Amino acid sequence: KQEVTQIPAALSVPEGENLVLNCSFTDSAIYNLQWFRQDPGKGLTSLLLIQSSQREQTSGRLNASLDKSSGRSTLYIAASQPGDSATYLCAVGNDYKLSFGAGTTVTVRA
Amino acid sequence: DAGVIQSPRHEVTEMGQEVTLRCKPISGHDYLFWYRQTMMRGLELLIYFNNNVPIDDSGMPEDRFSAKMPNASFSTLKIQPSEPRDSAVYFCASSSTTGRGSINEQFFGPGTRLTVL
Repeated sequence: KQEVTQIPAALSVPEGENLVLNCSFTDSAIYNLQWFRQDPGKGLTSLLLIQSSQREQTSGRLNASLDKSSGRSTLYIAASQPGDSATYLCAVGNDYKLSFGAGTTVTVRA
Repeated sequence: DAGVIQSPRHEVTEMGQEVTLRCKPISGHDYLFWYRQTMMRGLELLIYFNNNVPIDDSGMPEDRFSAKMPNASFSTLKIQPSEPRDSAVYFCASSSTTGRGSINEQFFGPGTRLTVL
């Protein structure tokens, strides 16, 4: 059974600082990895999808890396803004199913 | 495209009542997923369909839960009878295949917040 861990559980940074969110998983035989954002009381918004053959994906200020052999992914958010405050979830894809981490709750202070 | 649509957005019911949650996936997507989110257990996959056929329902907690997908544009998740411990946010998501043995991004609906009194 795939186990997904996200550390830290919560993070508070001043505006402008770069964010580094970590995700680790136990089974390296994955199809893909997806990062989501969830605002309080809302649904999940897909941020980035990395297929197993890729090492990284970029979208604007977001960059996600994938190291299957070590079972790790990192989401980088450059020059954080108060609007980046949310919970970020890592989800690992095996056999058409996603296994989710518990998330990292980020607060960006103005 | 309107994205994944779920109804109702909020449901409050009494223990023992039947609850039906509805989902319309994104047009053209051939995978549909039902998830449940709670503070204690996080996000859990309940069941998923491919081309309207249930593929894996191992996450369905009890026989009180059932899901159907009568056509490509509609799915229901039913709880009968409901219990207070079923209180959670239920999400529906859809995706398409890459054609290389994996699926593309999953897109989530806004969720249904269920409260069973």
